[in-house]
Amino acid sequence: AQKVTQAQTEISVVEKEDVTLDCVYETRDTTYYLFWYKQPPSGELVFLIRRNSFDEQNEISGRYSWNFQKSTSSFNFTITASQVVDSAVYFCALRNAGGTSYGKLTFGQGTILTVHP
Amino acid sequence: EAQVTQNPRYLITVTGKKLTVTCSQNMNHEYMSWYRQDPGLGLRQIYYSMNVEVTDKGDVPEGYKVSRKEKRNFPLILESPSPNQTSLYFCASSRGTDNSPLHFGNGTRLTVT
Repeated sequence: AQKVTQAQTEISVVEKEDVTLDCVYETRDTTYYLFWYKQPPSGELVFLIRRNSFDEQNEISGRYSWNFQKSTSSFNFTITASQVVDSAVYFCALRNAGGTSYGKLTFGQGTILTVHP
Repeated sequence: EAQVTQNPRYLITVTGKKLTVTCSQNMNHEYMSWYRQDPGLGLRQIYYSMNVEVTDKGDVPEGYKVSRKEKRNFPLILESPSPNQTSLYFCASSRGTDNSPLHFGNGTRLTVT
């Protein structure tokens, strides 16, 4: 079975603070894919980033960065100098490349991020 | 424009009255799936399909049916809706079962009274 845990239900910060959203996953497969999605107050789900299990390179995109650590089964997301527009629900997700869960895409519970001006 | 279209956006119905939520994608994607979103529970997968005529149960399939007769369409059927199926539903598609990201529809807010 596969599982994704986002232990932080809600985070509240003030603009310009840095914030890290945690994501821990469980899977028996050796090959898998990880994703982050954003759901702004308007409700649509927007893809942010993907990472293959065999690629542990961290990634930076503007104010966003992602830290993938296979040793701790974590794929954390950091927003630097947060802005009000970053307020949203953020979801981490896992898709296995094979095994009994082949095809399933499991999401975490989501973290509600509120950035105050 | 590449998109996933689901209808209706809002639906209020009564217990036991069969309903169908439609989902269509125009990207020739192999993979399609349905999710329900409930507060504190995130997005939970109901059913998914890796190709035409191939469907599999997700984590919460009870009370739902799906079909994949054509590549572009993946309707969600509630044969006898109950109040615990009141939720926000999302249809999504992706090119395949690899690292291709999901493209989501705009959601269907279902209320069962």
